[in-house]
Parts: sequence; C-alpha cells; structure tokens
Amino acid sequence: GEDVEQSLFLSVREGDSSVINCTYTDSSSTYLYWYKQEPGAGLQLLTYIFSNMDMKQDQRLTVLLNKKDKHLSLRIADTQTGDSAIYFCAESSGGSYIPTFGRGTSLIVHP
Amino acid sequence: EAGVVQSPRYKIIEKKQPVAFWCNPISGHNTLYWYRQNLGQGPELLIRYENEEAVDDSQLPKDRFSAERLKGVDSTLKIQPAELGDSAVYLCASSPGGEGSEQYFGPGTRLTVT
Repeated sequence: GEDVEQSLFLSVREGDSSVINCTYTDSSSTYLYWYKQEPGAGLQLLTYIFSNMDMKQDQRLTVLLNKKDKHLSLRIADTQTGDSAIYFCAESSGGSYIPTFGRGTSLIVHP
Repeated sequence: EAGVVQSPRYKIIEKKQPVAFWCNPISGHNTLYWYRQNLGQGPELLIRYENEEAVDDSQLPKDRFSAERLKGVDSTLKIQPAELGDSAVYLCASSPGGEGSEQYFGPGTRLTVT
C-alpha cells in the first residue's frame, strides 16, 4: 500500500472550514508537511509539524497530529476561493528530510 | 529574490527523441532536487544534489536518465531516449540544506511524449 494516503477530493462552501485528512505508515516519521499546489505551479510549503508535537496553528491553518493512529489533518478556517488547489500531505524520516508525498487532495471552494 | 527557475515550461516530443530540462536554484541553496510528478500523483524524488555531488540517485532510471550539476549551481536533467511513460511534470526544488530546511519548488516542466 501507499506510504501516505489522503482522499482525492473535498468540496466546501466559501466561508466554511475545510478539513483535509491524511494517514501515513512510517512510525519513524520525523516531520510531517502540508504543501499546496495551484494549477501550473510548483508546490508551496504551507506548514509542517515535528513528530513530537500534536498541534500547530498558523493564522487560518491548524495542523493536528495523532501519532498513535498515524493521522494528520489540516484545517483551513474561513475557506476562500483562493484556497482552491491541490493539497499534499508528506512525511520525512531519517536525516535526509526528503518528503514522501501522498497523491494530493483537490480542494474545491464554491460560492 | 527570484525563485527556482525552470525551462522550458512545456515540451512535446516524439518517443525515442532526447530531451533536456534546465533548473536554476535559488542563489545560495546548496541542495537541489529533481522530482517527477505523474498525473494525479504526488512528486517522487529522482535525484538529490549536495553542491555538485549526487548524494541520492536511487530512484533515477539510469538506463535513460542522466543529470548533472556542474559548479554546484544550475542543473540539467536529460532523458535519452524518451518513452511514452516519461510524460509527466518534472519539478526542480532547492533548499539551503540542513535540518528541516524548507524546499522551494520551481513551476516545473510539463513533458508530453507522443
């Protein structure tokens, strides 16, 4: 099975909160990341969390980590149309800090 | 500050032809990465450079792919000959290096092999 799994699509109404979920298999993961990819662009790191943390908040973004269940989530508060993009969950372990990516969740924000 | 620059942005070639991609990382970034992103997938690492040295190329199909980073700055990724399955977006990223340092991605080169 895949090392990092996430649902492929999420549709929300503008102004609502979005929650994108991710599960991973590597129990030795050190860093867990959320990247955003807009059409025709490269990936942009949104936020990351160290594996000994369980929550990180940055403005409209909240990351929750359940290390026991190997579950990571990204909550976007007050979702805007500009948030429409593909969101990738990723994890890295060991000393190379090279992320292993999931397949991405396509977030669609409609008025 | 300029970001990671890649060219060309798009390339269409026939199978069995060669193709090359170019990447200029952010100034001062010692670490450079080439990723391949297939449609509907996340990026997969092909090769990582620390300065001019390739330190992780285990995922690079060496029978047809080659890469170089002369002088530890710009890098080129070459495919010869290209196959239909090579159609993908090829992403370059760079980072300052060191623990947890963020990777900055370029916009990618979209390759279509017909």
